Amino acid sequence: RKEVEQDPGPFNVPEGATVAFNCTYSNSASQSFFWYRQDCRKEPKLLMSVYSSGNEDGRFTAQLNRASQYISLLIRDSKLSDSATYLCVVNLRTGNQFYFGTGTSLTVIP
Amino acid sequence: SQTIHQWPATLVQPVGSPLSLECTVEGTSNPNLYWYRQAAGRGLQLLFYSVGIGQISSEVPQNLSASRPQDRQFILSSKKLLLSDSGFYLCALSGVLFKAFFGQGTRLTVV
Repeated sequence: RKEVEQDPGPFNVPEGATVAFNCTYSNSASQSFFWYRQDCRKEPKLLMSVYSSGNEDGRFTAQLNRASQYISLLIRDSKLSDSATYLCVVNLRTGNQFYFGTGTSLTVIP
Repeated sequence: SQTIHQWPATLVQPVGSPLSLECTVEGTSNPNLYWYRQAAGRGLQLLFYSVGIGQISSEVPQNLSASRPQDRQFILSSKKLLLSDSGFYLCALSGVLFKAFFGQGTRLTVV
């Protein structure tokens, strides 16, 4: 079983739409959680950390459900510039190992 | 702030040729460093990680090797490249609050 699983998509949504991505992780010892964004042919870049209480950064909202071991990312009022692949990442801290999902592809359509 | 330098950005190499990719970091000391490979349209595959000078852990047996001769230098090598070694190679470090930071990557095509 993969450490982190994501729906690969693709998600094609119109501008202004709200879109949600989910991610599940298998190791209950995971302690740090993140969403990364990767543009085509570029390196992944940190979008936001995910905290137990949930957190928001502008149009982006991240949630963590430890009991069900899943993480979500909600994007409101989608922009064309949001088109990218979104990677779910967990870190066990012990051993400082990162586990990456394979990414969810988003295309925002005019 | 910490930065990661990787070069070259793109590389085309013939099958059987050697490889050396270098990654250097600034703005931090004794970082955990990682080499990942991303095949076209695929996820990130951890190749090697290092917790300190001379300390290398290999995640996937293959014809690649890694070395860490200095605290802020991480090198990925191969004696003889295979076609299957083509991909996007990313160096990363573990930063504050266990966040991963990536270099700009090297796109390797083996022909």
